Amino acid sequence: GAVVSQHPSWVICKSGTSVKIECRSLDFQATTMFWYRQFPKQSLMLMATSNEGSKATYEQGVEKDKFLINHASLTLSTLTVTSAHPEDSSFYICSASFEGPRSPLHFGNGTRLTVT
Amino acid sequence: AQSVAQPEDQVNVAEGNPLTVKCTYSVSGNPYLFWYVQYPNRGLQFLLKYITGDNLVKGSYGFEAEFNKSQTSFHLKKPSALVSDSALYFCAVRDPYNAGNNRKLIWGLGTSLAVNP
Repeated sequence: GAVVSQHPSWVICKSGTSVKIECRSLDFQATTMFWYRQFPKQSLMLMATSNEGSKATYEQGVEKDKFLINHASLTLSTLTVTSAHPEDSSFYICSASFEGPRSPLHFGNGTRLTVT
Repeated sequence: AQSVAQPEDQVNVAEGNPLTVKCTYSVSGNPYLFWYVQYPNRGLQFLLKYITGDNLVKGSYGFEAEFNKSQTSFHLKKPSALVSDSALYFCAVRDPYNAGNNRKLIWGLGTSLAVNP
């Protein structure tokens, strides 16, 4: 149980275009979803926390107008990278939580974004 | 400030030998502690957690971890390493008393484990 599906697994786009990444909880309702960015051989950087039906809370230094997060339902959150640039190339991972703080997060398999 | 330290960027062990991946934390109170594993180009998988009770917790794939409150450590261990254990390991801590966001995790930088045949 507790499966999180992230799509696409990889995407290549041209500079200036926008890319949408979907994160779905398949067998549970995710009250909270977290979006992370991971650089090569580095740890996870939390970008934002989203709660269903409300605006996402962005971490300091993350541009909310560039990284649009929508958590429209209890099973779906999307991250849209707008006007992508090569420096946005990275590995993006979503995670979902539906239980209390004693429970682990459930992660998607990540999306490798390459901006050319 | 709250933080998690994984002092070793890389750990190398021979297959069949015991392995330890270290984690120490600086979080007030009684935090919840987690270990995750990440295989190349994949998301993270939960291995085990400590919430309360017995200091030695057992998790997936034969891993275990020992919570030491006095040393504020939560080292990951396995008695006999497998080549397939080679991956990136993350320690994470949650402050359950952070009422504003008690699901948020504080992450270590990760330790790359290489098990040599």
